Amino acid sequence: QSVLTQPPSVSGAPGQRVTISCTGGTSNIGAGYDVHWYQQFPGRAPKLLIYVNTLRPAGVPARFSGSTSAPSATLAITGLQAEDAATYYCQSFDKGLMGWVFGGGTEVTVL
Amino acid sequence: EEEVVESGGGTVQPGGSLRLSCSASEFILRSYEVTWVRQAPGKGLEWVAYISRGDNNIFYADSVRGRFTISRDADSDSVFLDLTNLRPEDSGFYFCGRLGGGGPIESWGQGALVTVSS
Repeated sequence: QSVLTQPPSVSGAPGQRVTISCTGGTSNIGAGYDVHWYQQFPGRAPKLLIYVNTLRPAGVPARFSGSTSAPSATLAITGLQAEDAATYYCQSFDKGLMGWVFGGGTEVTVL
Repeated sequence: EEEVVESGGGTVQPGGSLRLSCSASEFILRSYEVTWVRQAPGKGLEWVAYISRGDNNIFYADSVRGRFTISRDADSDSVFLDLTNLRPEDSGFYFCGRLGGGGPIESWGQGALVTVSS
């Protein structure tokens, strides 16, 4: 059972907009700690996708965006592409656990 | 290209020990906060341990505290994760990560596979 809750899977047709929620609590996202998002393909290391809630690292397409409304965060993919099929994880800090926590991961399927 | 590189994975019996190493290519690792994250086969990501730039802050996940130790060596510019009293549920890929401004894991290694089995 992950501290941050994500839906196990979401799907969409090419070109559609999909969103992934990440719900925390008063000791992590609700306490104001930043949320980061990662993309992972099978057999590969995760890759940073969104950091500090809304920022995109260089090279990440603009169709990926992040937002927060405590105690939750949302990753949106606008204009879904076949290459976006992957598993996405959110991450934050938890002051009760005194450590970092991840969501359980959401598998995105492009129909 | 800047890269994080792990080494030291392997197969060990329950109760055994391993040392994982994390080094850097094309950057100075001791200038960064470093963390370890693991992933059991077919499962999600689990944060394991963190060490600050100056070693003055070290944190562990409850699942490994007292069994795992994170440390740095300035001479080799490496970060180590010593795994002791290993259990089958500790099996998986262990990723070393470099933290960026604001705390995200901005650079990940390729992962070191640890298998705990009799």
